[in-house]
Amino acid sequence: EAAVTQSPRSKVAVTGGKVTLSCHQTNNHDYMYWYRQDTGHGLRLIHYSYVADSTEKGDIPDGYKASRPSQENFSLILELASLSQTAVYFCASSDWDWGGAMKDTQYFGPGTRLLVL
Amino acid sequence: KTQVEQSPQSLVVRQGENCVLQCNYSVTPDNHLRWFKQDTGKGLVSLTVLVHENDKTSNGRYSATLDKDAKHSTLHITATLLDDTATYICVVGRGSALGRLHFGAGTQLIVIP
Repeated sequence: EAAVTQSPRSKVAVTGGKVTLSCHQTNNHDYMYWYRQDTGHGLRLIHYSYVADSTEKGDIPDGYKASRPSQENFSLILELASLSQTAVYFCASSDWDWGGAMKDTQYFGPGTRLLVL
Repeated sequence: KTQVEQSPQSLVVRQGENCVLQCNYSVTPDNHLRWFKQDTGKGLVSLTVLVHENDKTSNGRYSATLDKDAKHSTLHITATLLDDTATYICVVGRGSALGRLHFGAGTQLIVIP
């Protein structure tokens, strides 16, 4: 079964501190994504990657960096955490065919609840 | 501007009752639409995907419809169970090479005994 794990599951950070969220997938998927979920809003795409050592900006990349050191691992980095970055962060992976239509669903991790004080 | 609107925002039903969740969207092009279930504190799990005009799908007690002309989808849950308590999220895919997805804010369903 497709599996995406995230660590930590929850974190409290101080404003201005550095935060790294990690994601690991065993699906052998090329695509990986980072989203944030805020109460009352849909998930929003922060960064994604379709190959190791390469990342792309999503819809809300400001204040975030991403790193894809291998096909299995994708990290989200907050260099200077801010109060507005308090949210739940989800990692996902998927396969895509090159026609652009999704061949399969995205598989989501359980989420990381980040609280910035 | 929100491109995927879901209604109702929240819904309480008694176990055994049926319910209908709505999704209206303005995403263009609309390659496919997927319904996810999100249990509290968990990730999203796909329930069904609709691709073609007037598609209808069925997955156990879950069934869904898609009207691409109206840009509207419904998710029906029959004979609800307590385990159906969750947030149901509608997601529209544009099918572009970048594969961007547009997420609704979800409908929170609570099933009571």
